[in-house]
Amino acid sequence: SAVISQKPSRDICQRGTSLTIQCQVDSQVTMMFWYRQQPGQSLTLIATANQGSEATYESGFVIDKFPISRPNLTFSTLTVSNMSPEDSSIYLCSVSKQGGTDTQYFGPGTRLTVL
Amino acid sequence: QKEVEQNSGPLSVPEGAIASLNCTYSDRGSQSFFWYRQYSGKSPELIMSIYSNGDKEDGRFTAQLNKASQYVSLLIRDSQPSDSATYLCAVKGSSASKIIFGSGTRLSIRP
Repeated sequence: SAVISQKPSRDICQRGTSLTIQCQVDSQVTMMFWYRQQPGQSLTLIATANQGSEATYESGFVIDKFPISRPNLTFSTLTVSNMSPEDSSIYLCSVSKQGGTDTQYFGPGTRLTVL
Repeated sequence: QKEVEQNSGPLSVPEGAIASLNCTYSDRGSQSFFWYRQYSGKSPELIMSIYSNGDKEDGRFTAQLNKASQYVSLLIRDSQPSDSATYLCAVKGSSASKIIFGSGTRLSIRP
């Protein structure tokens, strides 16, 4: 498995502001993903963070709203821009290890509340 | 049709009994199948992965896969109150690197 940390663990933000969430892994991983989980719902994939190139976004998610960086094989950031109360959710970083199976492991999540 | 379907529950099972969780998927070429457990307020935790038809056992957990029927299940033997959680079925499709998650089944083990 992989040890994944996320910062911040939770935050309360004002409408119209932006928040950047960091994901750090203790070892190099091939794939990094960002998910959103709204209250009482399952996981929704936002995008795949690609090292050295632009992220691959899922339908319904755009780079202007959710810019993603991945400067190396152990770190990624997700920014939630121009936030509205509808962005209140848990944001989860997930990774697949390099050379391993397809198994994905999840970070502890960031609980975001937008007022 | 959803790509990965699960009964949302709640599924209530008495302590000590067998809990049976089911999942169907639409992509016939899928190769990798996973079960995650998610406690309230926590992130998903991998319980089992299965890649071949048949059963795979790990302690009290058994995953069953039937690719012809596009069906995967998770059995929990000797259910404990600590097994109360939401169980997410996840499938890796034939052409994508991403894993598709079902909506989850909420399991409640009653003492």
